[in-house]
Amino acid sequence: SQKIEQNSEALNIQEGKTATLTCNYTNYSPAYLQWYRQDPGRGPVFLLLIRENEKEKRKERLKVTFDTTLKQSLFHITASQPADSATYLCALPPGAGSYQLTFGKGTKLSVIP
Amino acid sequence: GAGVSQSPSNKVTEKGKDVELRCDPISGHTALYWYRQRLGQGLEFLIYFQGNSAPDKSGLPSDRFSAERTGESVSTLTIQRTQQEDSAVYLCASSFLGAGVGFFGQGTRLTVV
Repeated sequence: SQKIEQNSEALNIQEGKTATLTCNYTNYSPAYLQWYRQDPGRGPVFLLLIRENEKEKRKERLKVTFDTTLKQSLFHITASQPADSATYLCALPPGAGSYQLTFGKGTKLSVIP
Repeated sequence: GAGVSQSPSNKVTEKGKDVELRCDPISGHTALYWYRQRLGQGLEFLIYFQGNSAPDKSGLPSDRFSAERTGESVSTLTIQRTQQEDSAVYLCASSFLGAGVGFFGQGTRLTVV
């Protein structure tokens, strides 16, 4: 069956360090993968989309990699700040031509001052 | 509007009653999605609209759940004879068709007592 796993439910990191979150998937061949941020009591906010033919995507302090051989995406936040504390979700379409997304359970990141 | 708007933001209902949850998507967005998020869990896909039709209803958990969309705009998710396990945050999202899920509302927190 299809599965999306995010490496840990919670990750604590010191301010200024680089946070690395992992998203692994099985039995998918996604054309793209997305990362979202979710704060408590709010809906997810789209951050980045990376396509299967892209190895890496950057946006300000964020970097996403996508390895379709390993079936893994890594999400990096460099120079992390307490304001980066949130739950980060990865999401991908369940099948070719599918317009909906299946989400991982998320990793709760806490950046400690 | 400027973003996806959902109402009510909170709803407490007695077991067995029917509830209607409303979503106003971003103007011009052809695709509309409903997700459910139970406490501490990931997002669970419910239904997807393309225009006013729903090509993918695969996520609706039972026949007590139904949804409609009119005018390629507002959508209503109806839950009949609510049960305690229906308690969750119901999230709506909209996007341009083919862009994947991009923009979420704040959600409706449903509590069935």
